[in-house]
Amino acid sequence: QEQMVESGGGVVQPGRSLRLSCAASGFTFSSYGMHWVRQAPGKGLEWVAVIWYDGTKTYYGDSVKGRFTISRDNSKNTLNLQMNSLRVEDTGVYYCAKYSSASGLESWGQGTLVTVSS
Amino acid sequence: DIQMTQSPSSLSASVGDRVTITCRASQGIRNGLGWYQQKPGKAPKRLIYAASTLQSGVPSRFSGSGSGTEFTLTISSLQSEDFATYYCLQYNTYPLAFGGGTKVEIK
Repeated sequence: QEQMVESGGGVVQPGRSLRLSCAASGFTFSSYGMHWVRQAPGKGLEWVAVIWYDGTKTYYGDSVKGRFTISRDNSKNTLNLQMNSLRVEDTGVYYCAKYSSASGLESWGQGTLVTVSS
Repeated sequence: DIQMTQSPSSLSASVGDRVTITCRASQGIRNGLGWYQQKPGKAPKRLIYAASTLQSGVPSRFSGSGSGTEFTLTISSLQSEDFATYYCLQYNTYPLAFGGGTKVEIK
C-alpha cells in the first residue's frame, strides 16, 4: 500500500532554517515526480515545488524561489525540502505528493506542521 | 503563470441536492485538471483527474467535465459525507496552480 510520511516540522524563528523529509513506501519512488504543497492555517492549497523522478529538474513557486530547495534520494525513497530564510507567512501544513504527468497529484502524505514565529 | 478561478467560494446545500462547482483557467490547459476533496485536519483526496476521469473508489455521484479553460465538478446527489472543501488543480503547465476552494456546507 502506498504511503508517504512527512517529518521535520516544528516551531522556528523567522530567518532560521528547517528541513522537511517525506519517506515514501509501497510504490517505485524513483519512477515518479514528487511535489511539496502547503496550506496556511484556514487557507487554501498552495503549490510549492517539484522535482523530477530522477532529480534532474526542479521548479519552485514564486513565494519560495531562492529560499527553498527540493531534493530527493532515490536510494532511500526520501524526498526533502530545505527551507531557509523562513518567514511568518511560510507557516502552514506541508504535504508531499506523488505525481504523474497523465493524472497530476495522485496521492498525498498526512502533512507536517511548520510554524514560523518569534 | 496560469491562474485558476474557482466559484463559488462557498455554498449551502441539503442532502440530495445537485451541486456544481466551476473552475476557470486564465489560459488553456487542455484536460490537465484534477478535483480534490479536503476535510478538516486531513490531506486532500483526489476525486477526478484528466478533467473527467473518476478516481478508483470514488462514488459515481461525482463527475467532472470540461476542457481548455472551463471545468466543472458535479455532485449529483449530495450525501452527508460530502460536506467538505473542494479544490481544482491545473497540472498542465508549471507552476501548478490550485483554485481558491469551495466550502460545501449543510443548509
